[in-house]
Amino acid sequence: EDQVTQSPEALRLQEGESSSLNCSYTVSGLRGLFWYRQDPGKGPEFLFTLYSAGEEKEKERLKATLTKKESFLHITAPKPEDSATYLCAVQQGAQKLVFGQGTRLTINP
Amino acid sequence: ETGVTQTPRHLVMGMTNKKSLKCEQHLGHNAMYWYKQSAKKPLELMFVYSLEERVENNSVPSRFSPECPNSSHLFLHLHTLQPEDSALYLCASSQDQGGGQPQHFGDGTRLSIL
Repeated sequence: EDQVTQSPEALRLQEGESSSLNCSYTVSGLRGLFWYRQDPGKGPEFLFTLYSAGEEKEKERLKATLTKKESFLHITAPKPEDSATYLCAVQQGAQKLVFGQGTRLTINP
Repeated sequence: ETGVTQTPRHLVMGMTNKKSLKCEQHLGHNAMYWYKQSAKKPLELMFVYSLEERVENNSVPSRFSPECPNSSHLFLHLHTLQPEDSALYLCASSQDQGGGQPQHFGDGTRLSIL
């Protein structure tokens, strides 16, 4: 059965303190691994899609990487506005996404 | 503002009521989805429609009934709900090309069952 596990469950950083979030997955035939950001009271906002091991994507202070078993979301010099819950999902079949439980990130000024 | 709009944003209903959730997408996508998000649990896929045809029903109780009249609109009809159905219900859409396309979400309907 396809599974997605995110760690840590919650992470508190000081502004400017870089770190990484982890997403471990098991899936038969990866069609895509997706990262989303979710703010309180909002729906998930799409960040990145990664398709194959070795691929990297960047957006502002965020960089996502992918291996055959896990993905990392690296946050460089974060700001308080980066505080959110970050969700990872893998695609099973043509449409179905299997989500992890998320990492709640808090950046203190 | 997202390309996926959900109404209402909040809904409180009794267990014997009948209500409907509405979703509209303005992205030109051909697939639409309903998800349930409960506290401390991952998003759970409920239903998938591709080209207005239901292609996935993820063991959802019959008190939830989806309807997709066209590729831009999706409804979730609710009746005789239970307290454990209180959750955030999210709609999403994507371009179904056999996989690999991201899903784009609305901001959800927060449902509370009295």
